[in-house]
Amino acid sequence: NAGVTQTPKFQVLKTGQSMTLQCAQDMNHEYMSWYRQDPGMGLRLIHYSVGAGITDQGEVPNGYNVSRSTTEDFPLRLLSAAPSQTSVYFCATKNNYGYTFGSGTRLTVV
Amino acid sequence: QKEVEQDPGPLSVPEGAIVSLNCTYSNSAFQYFMWYRQYSRKGPELLMYTYSSGNKEDGRFTAQVDKSSKYISLFIRDSQPSDSATYLCAIGGRGNEKLTFGTGTRLTIIP
Repeated sequence: NAGVTQTPKFQVLKTGQSMTLQCAQDMNHEYMSWYRQDPGMGLRLIHYSVGAGITDQGEVPNGYNVSRSTTEDFPLRLLSAAPSQTSVYFCATKNNYGYTFGSGTRLTVV
Repeated sequence: QKEVEQDPGPLSVPEGAIVSLNCTYSNSAFQYFMWYRQYSRKGPELLMYTYSSGNKEDGRFTAQVDKSSKYISLFIRDSQPSDSATYLCAIGGRGNEKLTFGTGTRLTIIP
């Protein structure tokens, strides 16, 4: 039982490049979400999904796309990376007992 | 004004001391209250999850929620060096679909 798995753990992108951050869970949770963590800002919600085929925006959605075709996977896409997207990204699932976070993807955009 | 305010610290206390961590919030619609522990370069780990006002205890940890004052606390008894981490409060609104986090308090327990 791996819980929430994020890949890659580290990534360096050039401005304008695109990439997909992967998130997979094996807990059969309907809810999945993406947060970014920046110094002095705390964690901020980017997008979330309450089930396959359903997504919604969080606090900071601009520059990011998501889709949810299966219960297990919730990828986060950066269409054209910008230095302001340098951050640590966390995927999380939720059940009645609270949220479970992955170990994060550390992204640097140069 | 931020929706959730948390003193960033850093906070240093000797081993064995009682630690008190606090957050205040502004939105009375918040219903779900959580505390997370985050070690350096790791993901947040859920410590406590409460829905109502009052106290909840789990081992050395006690979470306290005062909805009338919009104030939540986490107490750590008999603190250990392994408790050294950043502690994040997180609050959820209706449906608990969107968490609002405090900025975190960096705690160091001195042996």
